[in-house]
Amino acid sequence: DAKTTQPTSMDCAEGRAANLPCNHSTISGNEYVYWYRQIHSQGPQYIIHGLKNNETNEMASLIITEDRKSSTLILPHATLRDTAVYYCIVRVSATNKLIFGTGTLLAVQP
Amino acid sequence: NAGVTQTPKFQVLKTGQSMTLQCAQDMNHEYMSWYRQDPGMGLRLIHYSVGAGITDQGEVPNGYNVSRSTTEDFPLRLLSAAPSQTSVYFCASSYSSRGLGEQYFGPGTRLTVT
Repeated sequence: DAKTTQPTSMDCAEGRAANLPCNHSTISGNEYVYWYRQIHSQGPQYIIHGLKNNETNEMASLIITEDRKSSTLILPHATLRDTAVYYCIVRVSATNKLIFGTGTLLAVQP
Repeated sequence: NAGVTQTPKFQVLKTGQSMTLQCAQDMNHEYMSWYRQDPGMGLRLIHYSVGAGITDQGEVPNGYNVSRSTTEDFPLRLLSAAPSQTSVYFCASSYSSRGLGEQYFGPGTRLTVT
């Protein structure tokens, strides 16, 4: 299974864009990149996922490099409520098994 | 829809006791799974099910049993609790067992084994 590498923690000023990087250099061609977040020990919350193309929804944008070895989650206007642990996950091919790492703790500062 | 519900929210067990953590979803989802989360760590998959009557092991299945007799329910059983099973347990469900849909997580059960 492809593994992911994320920074342990990041800070971001409220109102600014938060850019969270993720490396997944061993990803296979048919494996998707998923992002979830976990706010203060609640259940994880789905954010976005993608395969090759960049994706955008009401919560965030996902930028995947052309070689697919890394990606960046962008929260365009971070708020204090976005303070959470963000998990970058490569989904095991043709299954719904999610292998979580330790994630990035994003602290949004006022 | 209530989404994914878990009971109880908190539980304290003594070593050797047994109990069942309940998980239910009202979204007619095929796929359900159980994770555990230890302090400072990400979630680890215990067991999962791709439909009623079908279950399989995840990363850390030892000490846990599951069954899936209905689409809605996916209970997790601890037959003889050990202190190493002290953790927060999350149940999740997804519409398709092989599709791309997001997984919906429950609020968690916080278990302490003394």
